[in-house]
This record gives sequence, structure tokens and C-alpha cells, in this order.
Amino acid sequence: DAGVIQSPRHEVTEMGQEVTLRCKPISGHDYLFWYRQTMMRGLELLIYFNNNVPIDDSGMPEDRFSAKMPNASFSTLKIQPSEPRDSAVYFCASSPSEAATGWSGANVLTFGAGSRLTVL
Amino acid sequence: AQSVTQPDIHITVSEGASLELRCNYSYGATPYLFWYVQSPGQGLQLLLKYFSGDTLVQGIKGFEAEFKRSQSSFNLRKPSVHWSDAAEYFCAVGPRTYKYIFGTGTRLKVLA
Repeated sequence: DAGVIQSPRHEVTEMGQEVTLRCKPISGHDYLFWYRQTMMRGLELLIYFNNNVPIDDSGMPEDRFSAKMPNASFSTLKIQPSEPRDSAVYFCASSPSEAATGWSGANVLTFGAGSRLTVL
Repeated sequence: AQSVTQPDIHITVSEGASLELRCNYSYGATPYLFWYVQSPGQGLQLLLKYFSGDTLVQGIKGFEAEFKRSQSSFNLRKPSVHWSDAAEYFCAVGPRTYKYIFGTGTRLKVLA
């Protein structure tokens, strides 16, 4: 398996523009997570999905952020409009369910390489 | 409140020396505990995890960690560090529902 695939790896945009980050999870993983990493706040969970359904979006900072998972192999995180304070590295991660791997294999996240966003 | 503390922001060790990275947590029940490693420009990779049972867990790349309930700690150790171990290390704690809290990380530098 190629692992969790994220695109773009780097994005530079101007304030006010729409940004879309993409993620392809590992095939067979039922859970998908979006994290944001900054120097000031560390690694924060934004939202996670189970079987394409959003389970917890309490970490999404504000309405400018939205995430979708239209099918088991694709998810997007959108920021509209973007602001300089959104500059960060955004990670997507996936995990199998306990039903698929047993309890010892579940609850383990495999991360993508991240998308570094710079908003000018 | 649930929290994870990694008291050391930076650690420098010589190649071949032993390593211990500290992790303390605050959690109401027995948590799931993890150590992840992040190389520059890369995502996080799981080193090891503790769910239950034996409190000394072995991970990849020769790392181990010990869960000490009485001290609310889950310190990561390696007997002999290699130059390739230079990276940032994150401790994480959470319930069984994936809402893990990550520490702020410890950046390891290895001297040749």
C-alpha cells in the first residue's frame, strides 16, 4: 500500500482565497482524521470520519473550515476564505476499525506526509 | 482536564549514548498511550503503543517505553542512539474513541 496520500504538499495562497486540501486514506481503513500542526498550538485534531460520516468536528476552528468525505477513498479539507493565521501543516491520517483488525490493530493512526499551507 | 506534557523541548545526545524522553499525562482512566516520530518534512510514524497488559512495551527501531501508572508517565527509551534517530518525538494519550491529545514534542539532535 502507498500509505496515506495528501495533495498538494505545498500551497501558497493569498488571504481571501479558497484552499482545498486532499487526502486518500489507506484502502480498508474505516477512520479518517484531519490534524493541523503549528508551532504555537502543536498537533490539533480538527475532525474525524468513520465510514465516510463525520463523527466529531469540534476541533474545526470556525465556519471557514469544512471537510467532506464523499467516498471511502477520498476526503477534502476546505478553507474559505483563507487567512494568514491558517498557515500550518495539515495532516491527514487513517486507521482501521477494531472489526477489521481487532483491538490491538485499531486505534493506530497512519499519517500522510502533510500539506504545508502558507497564506500571505 | 486531559493533557500531555513533554517537558523537554530539545535533547542532544551523542551517537551510541542512551536516550530517555519523558512524557507525563493527566487522564481520568487508563488511557491508550503512544509514541510517534516525525522526521523533517514527513508525517508522524508510530513507534509503539500501550493499551493494556505488560507495562514495558517494545517498538520499532529498538525503542521501548514503560507505562508507570503511579507516576502518570510513559517515557521512551533507547539503549544506544543512532544518527538516524534525529527527529521530533511525540507522545499521545487518549481514550478508545480516537480523540488523542498529542504532546508538544521533543526534538532530538544526535552528535556524531
